[in-house]
Amino acid sequence: GNSVTQMEGPVTLSEEAFLTINCTYTATGYPSLFWYVQYPGEGLQLLLKATKADDKGSNKGFEATYRKETTSFHLEKGSVQVSDSAVYFCALSVYTGGFKTIFGAGTRLFVKA
Amino acid sequence: GAVVSQHPSRVICKSGTSVKIECRSLDFQATTMFWYRQFPKQSLMLMATSNEGSKATYEQGVEKDKFLINHASLTLSTLTVTSAHPEDSSFYICSARATGVSYEQYFGPGTRLTVT
Repeated sequence: GNSVTQMEGPVTLSEEAFLTINCTYTATGYPSLFWYVQYPGEGLQLLLKATKADDKGSNKGFEATYRKETTSFHLEKGSVQVSDSAVYFCALSVYTGGFKTIFGAGTRLFVKA
Repeated sequence: GAVVSQHPSRVICKSGTSVKIECRSLDFQATTMFWYRQFPKQSLMLMATSNEGSKATYEQGVEKDKFLINHASLTLSTLTVTSAHPEDSSFYICSARATGVSYEQYFGPGTRLTVT
């Protein structure tokens, strides 16, 4: 089946620290992979995406590389800011007779000044 | 960029009444729209997928007679929570996928439903 597993939170970091949020997946077919961010009280915003193996998605200093050999799509940022505090969701999309997106459980990030 | 709006953003209703939530794609045509439910501090649970002009496909465990979905046009889908009860209180999020082969979904800002 299709599923997404991401590291449990919350993750608490100091400003300018390095961030890694792990995400692994299982999928039938060839999924596209996404990271979404949700700020308090808001809906989801697409942060970055990768549609095939070895693609690197990047946005606002965040990066993630589609690793087919390890079925992973870990999110990284070199220097986090307080404004990065949010919940981050890893997700995959596949078309198997119908289009569907599967979300991970979400990882809450707190960045303190 | 692609924008999806939801209305209302917050609604409070009494138990037993029905509530309609609208989801609109503002600058693109959406052949497929999705409705999700999100409980506090949890992930999104897909409730149903709707394609314009056809009946919605509901996920297992979602009552289709309670959560009525209508995708009347390429820019509008509605979710009606019928005979709402306090346990229906949740954050409802819609998303839309544009025509074409992209897997990208665009999400609305969500609707907070509180049933008293």
